[in-house]
Amino acid sequence: QKEVEQNSGPLSVPEGAIASLNCTYSDRGSQSFFWYRQYSGKSPELIMSIYSNGDKEDGRFTAQLNKASQYVSLLIRDSQPSDSATYLCAVNRSGGNKLVFGAGTILRVKS
Amino acid sequence: DVKVTQSSRYLVKRTGEKVFLECVQDMDHENMFWYRQDPGLGLRLIYFSYDVKMKEKGDIPEGYSVSREKKERFSLILESASTNQTSMYLCASDGRVGAFFGQGTRLTVV
Repeated sequence: QKEVEQNSGPLSVPEGAIASLNCTYSDRGSQSFFWYRQYSGKSPELIMSIYSNGDKEDGRFTAQLNKASQYVSLLIRDSQPSDSATYLCAVNRSGGNKLVFGAGTILRVKS
Repeated sequence: DVKVTQSSRYLVKRTGEKVFLECVQDMDHENMFWYRQDPGLGLRLIYFSYDVKMKEKGDIPEGYSVSREKKERFSLILESASTNQTSMYLCASDGRVGAFFGQGTRLTVV
C-alpha cells in the first residue's frame, strides 16, 4: 500500500463546475496535509494546507480533512481552464518532518 | 515570498561523472529536501536535512549523498552518475507551513 494514494485521472470537468480531488494516506499519526498544483514543466506550488478535521476555505479552494477515515480532499469551485494541472497531495509523516507525496491527479477543465 | 533557487535548469552529464546540484533558500528554514520526479512515479524523497550538518535518508538514497554546511544551502551529489539517474530533481525548503520548491533541474545522464 502506498503511503499517499491519489487517482491519477485525468479528471475532466466543464468550466464553471466543481472539481473534486481525493487523497488517502496510510500513516494514522500524520498531522499536516498539503495540496500542491503543478503545471506541465513547472515545479509544484503550494495552494492549501490543513491540519485539523473539517473544512478550510481559501477563495475558490476548499480543503477537507477526515483523520478517522485518513482522507483529504480538495474542492475547486467555478473551475477555470487555468486550473488544468496536476494536483499533488502531500502528508507529513508522523514523528518527523518528511513530506510524502502522492503521484498526483491530472485535472482538465474544458471550456 | 520564499525563494528557493537551484543552480541549473538543465544539465547533461556523462556516465561515471560526479555531479553536484546546488540549492539555496532565503527564508532561514530549517528543513530542506531533495526529490526526484519521474513520470508515473511522482515525487520521491532522496534526502532531507533538518539543520546544518544534519541529514536523513529518504526513500531512494542509493547513489546519492548530500551536504549542508550552511543553513541556506543544501547540495545533492551524484557520486558516479548513471543513466537511471536521468530525472527532474526538485529542491524544497520547509518552514513548517508547507514546502516551497525551486524551479527544478532536469538532469540527463548519457
